[in-house]
Amino acid sequence: DADVTQTPRNRITKTGKRIMLECSQTKGHDRMYWYRQDPGLGLRLIYYSFDVKDINKGEISDGYSVSRQAQAKFSLSLESAIPNQTALYFCATSEAFGNEQFFGPGTRLTVL
Amino acid sequence: SQQGEEDPQALSIQEGENATMNCSYKTSINNLQWYRQNSGRGLVHLILIRSNEREKHSGRLRVTLDTSKKSSSLLITASRAADTASYFCATESGGTSYGKLTFGQGTILTVHP
Repeated sequence: DADVTQTPRNRITKTGKRIMLECSQTKGHDRMYWYRQDPGLGLRLIYYSFDVKDINKGEISDGYSVSRQAQAKFSLSLESAIPNQTALYFCATSEAFGNEQFFGPGTRLTVL
Repeated sequence: SQQGEEDPQALSIQEGENATMNCSYKTSINNLQWYRQNSGRGLVHLILIRSNEREKHSGRLRVTLDTSKKSSSLLITASRAADTASYFCATESGGTSYGKLTFGQGTILTVHP
């Protein structure tokens, strides 16, 4: 079974809808991250979490919010989706800062 | 903003040849990491090199780091068709950027059988 899972894997929604993307991990890591990837670009950090009680904004947090429900779960919400949020979204975990990150398979989100 | 800039943007080679990808960055770093991404899939970690290291090897992969030039290179030797993927460098810096990876835009590698 995959160590980092994301649901849904694909989602098509309409402008103005609220969307939640979920991430679960079985690696026992405290650090979790949400990234977005646009075609031909690298990943950009949306939010990251040191542990359940510590959540921080990344490079592009506007229009997004997150919830760390437990060590194993980190959810990303788009309160009112807009077309330029169409992208591939990745969740990642790491054991500690300065270590490698482990990525989920991604969620492809399309906002019409 | 992107810390890492990769060169070339795309690389096409024949199986058996070596592939070299370069990454340049702007600010001092704690470590630099290389990841591979097969089309539309999640990233897979390849190598992490710390700022006090100059070279690391892992199988057919060799990574060098030159902190004076703020650059790194990834060499894949004896490439295979299965190496076809996008390759990203990512840097982790200190201060307010501690614990955060900043990714380059990637190099698309195509290895022809």
